[in-house]
Amino acid sequence: SQQGEEDPQALSIQEGENATMNCSYKTSINNLQWYRQNSGRGLVHLILIRSNEREKHSGRLRVTLDTSKKSSSLLITASRAADTASYFCATPGANSKLTFGKGITLSVRP
Amino acid sequence: EPEVTQTPSHQVTQMGQEVILRCVPISNHLYFYWYRQILGQKVEFLVSFYNNEISEKSEIFDDQFSVERPDGSNFTLKIRSTKLEDSAMYFCASSRERGPGETQYFGPGTRLLVL
Repeated sequence: SQQGEEDPQALSIQEGENATMNCSYKTSINNLQWYRQNSGRGLVHLILIRSNEREKHSGRLRVTLDTSKKSSSLLITASRAADTASYFCATPGANSKLTFGKGITLSVRP
Repeated sequence: EPEVTQTPSHQVTQMGQEVILRCVPISNHLYFYWYRQILGQKVEFLVSFYNNEISEKSEIFDDQFSVERPDGSNFTLKIRSTKLEDSAMYFCASSRERGPGETQYFGPGTRLLVL
């Protein structure tokens, strides 16, 4: 089974608009994490939300978690061209291994 | 800010050759990981390593793969006899502690191309 499936697969918005990306997962989790990957580069950890949290903010990022629906969303407000990247949700297993989704490609047009 | 580094950034090799990918984790981190990402696909877990032992490995991590911490700073991934399907971006990661709540910090990756 797939753990961590994001949607949409691709999102194109205008600079200044908000971008909302969703992630669904199948099994119980301790937390859910979002990562960013600029084209051909490494993964940058953005934010971690624990299973007992419903919402978390970090700068222009807002993450929600609904454990009853097994879903999370990442909102980037007032997007910038520099936000253009792929975004992944990831869930950790008991031994810390991360299981990633396929990712969402976000394009922010200047 | 400390970061995970990886060398080389790119590696091209012939099928059947051995490659060693190198990583320098963050200095006070104790847990180390390798992941890979085949072009256009998900990032996949390969192996985790702690206290000079493999903690967990995926089914991808077969006998052709090995990991080693040869000294106090480097963490290496060796592929003994590369196959075409080993072409991927390989990421090293490290974390201070183990546990699902610990953040893993990723290196920039090594892009491996097997011809």
